[in-house]
Amino acid sequence: DAKTTQPPSMDCAEGRAANLPCNHSTISGNEYVYWYRQIHSQGPQYIIHGLKNNETNEMASLIITEDRKSSTLILPHATLRDTAVYYCIVGTGANAGKSTFGDGTTLTVKP
Amino acid sequence: GAVVSQHPSWVICKSGTSVKIECRSLDFQATTMFWYRQFPKQSLMLMATSNEGSKATYEQGVEKDKFLINHASLTLSTLTVTSAHPEDSSFYICSHRGHINNEQFFGPGTRLTVL
Repeated sequence: DAKTTQPPSMDCAEGRAANLPCNHSTISGNEYVYWYRQIHSQGPQYIIHGLKNNETNEMASLIITEDRKSSTLILPHATLRDTAVYYCIVGTGANAGKSTFGDGTTLTVKP
Repeated sequence: GAVVSQHPSWVICKSGTSVKIECRSLDFQATTMFWYRQFPKQSLMLMATSNEGSKATYEQGVEKDKFLINHASLTLSTLTVTSAHPEDSSFYICSHRGHINNEQFFGPGTRLTVL
């Protein structure tokens, strides 16, 4: 599976958009990009995933660059409850579950 | 999304004892489940892949005789930490993947403290 690189931490003001980048320059053509988040002392939570098109759901939007070497998770209106560690993972469906969790980005939403 | 439960949510035990952690898929039949552990301020580390009706597959460096995994049904996988020691103290998390998108659904985790 391709490795990912994320900034270790980011701050965001409550109510503003949080844009979390992820670099996955060695991604293969059949690998998806998955985003999860982990609130302190809880299990991770699935947020969104995509292959090459931008995706949006009730939680977030995912923007994947045309060359698929990077992506950005967007939380359009961050709240204090969005404070968490956000993980960007790439992998094929067949290997879901075996993909490596990097260190993620600790997002702190401030009032 | 799918609901995964774990029991217990936390456990404290004495060194040398064994501890069993249950992972249940409440609304999904999971032929495969995954077990992770997470040390403080670190990321999740995959320990093993639990396969219903067959032996688990362990990641390199994980002792299969110490971390016993049983996946006897499509909704239950158990992890038993045998002869636990303080260095086994960690946050243990299970998951399974969805049928359609292969996204993972995680349990709430079990915090094990070995005294």
